[in-house]
Amino acid sequence: DTEVTQTPKHLVMGMTNKKSLKCEQHMGHRAMYWYKQKAKKPPELMFVYSYEKLSINESVPSRFSPECPNSSLLNLHLHALQPEDSALYLCASSPGQGQNFYGYTFGSGTRLTVV
Amino acid sequence: DQQVKQNSPSLSVQEGRISILNCDYTNSMFDYFLWYKKYPAEGPTFLISISSIKDKNEDGRFTVFLNKSAKHLSLHIVPSQPGDSAVYFCAASAGGYSTLTFGKGTMLLVSP
Repeated sequence: DTEVTQTPKHLVMGMTNKKSLKCEQHMGHRAMYWYKQKAKKPPELMFVYSYEKLSINESVPSRFSPECPNSSLLNLHLHALQPEDSALYLCASSPGQGQNFYGYTFGSGTRLTVV
Repeated sequence: DQQVKQNSPSLSVQEGRISILNCDYTNSMFDYFLWYKKYPAEGPTFLISISSIKDKNEDGRFTVFLNKSAKHLSLHIVPSQPGDSAVYFCAASAGGYSTLTFGKGTMLLVSP
């Protein structure tokens, strides 16, 4: 299995809703990442988990809350989002943080719309 | 301040010809460079990479060239095929435990 699976593919939520994005990989990768991508912009790093511990938080607002329940799963909990948070949220994994020889494996992303 | 720059938002090429996508970087600590390809509604997929100790890496139709003194790299696709039409992202890493820094991407359109 060489995939990163993200669910849901599309999500529309109101500003008072609570929702979660899910990401799963079974490649034995020990580093997992959340990226946010807006149109015509590069993917922007949000969080990095290394061996199930939060390694990097790129000053992301607290309305985004990551969770890594085990080595295969990565969640992003969303609460009280703003319309400007609408974007494509990408999950990625790699064998280890900084082990970039073969790049990251990305999921297809969740297209989030906040109304 | 963008550390990885792809200054061409788009590129159009005819099938069979060469596509050249360019990328410039400013951080001299970057020592590993990658190209990703992204189709609409899909995540980026890894294409090819190059270490700073090399100046060229080739994989089939794809070749990446690195000019460290100019802080410039390019991706050559020969021959270009319509299925190559996608957005191409350049990415760089500074080694150690650092993560990837991406450029804005270049949309390549290969017409039959």
